[in-house]
Amino acid sequence: EVQLLESGGDLVQPGGSLRLSCAASGFTFSNYAMSWVRQAPGKGLEWVSIISGSGAITYYADSVKGRFTISRDNSKNTLYLQMNSLRADDTAVYYCAKSHSGYSFDYWGQGTLVTVSS
Amino acid sequence: EIVMTQSPATLSVSPGERATLYCRASQSVSSNLAWYQQKPGQAPRLLIYGASTRATGIPARFSGSGSGTEFTLTISSLQSEDFAVYYCQQYNNWPLTFGGGTKVEIK
Repeated sequence: EVQLLESGGDLVQPGGSLRLSCAASGFTFSNYAMSWVRQAPGKGLEWVSIISGSGAITYYADSVKGRFTISRDNSKNTLYLQMNSLRADDTAVYYCAKSHSGYSFDYWGQGTLVTVSS
Repeated sequence: EIVMTQSPATLSVSPGERATLYCRASQSVSSNLAWYQQKPGQAPRLLIYGASTRATGIPARFSGSGSGTEFTLTISSLQSEDFAVYYCQQYNNWPLTFGGGTKVEIK
């Protein structure tokens, strides 16, 4: 059974940093690209970033480029999102998601809440 | 960036009725289009990928169609568990983008 379990969400002040983790199990982690998708309270879904199975290729949404870094440790089956220079509009539930048939997402974690506020 | 526009924003439907949801892309995304269902407090669930292929375990009452810029998700006979928010997503170009969602509510 595929499982994705995010952690690391917290309350952080504007300008602060946070690292999210996503522990994966139930599939060959290194064979799949992985993404982070976020959802602000009461709003829709916003794709944040993606990393290839090997970790060699990454893409980012313009809204986070230069502030967020996606990475993965295939030996630990874990996906990461390093978030720096956090702003109030980064407040959201952050989901990790497994890529499927291109770049749709067939499995999602339960999400972890990041709140940026003073 | 490809903008995905969903309509209507809210759809009021009675159980057992047919629901048709629309998604329009600002430029062609070929068939690289997915649909998701999200219920309150839950993560999204993949329904359709490749514009028309049902994901594993998705009931046959869900069907997708379209290509290029115009797409449709049809729920043939709404069940109580189908009342939710539905999102489309294109994965033809970077950045990946989602539509704003259609809320399907009980009439």
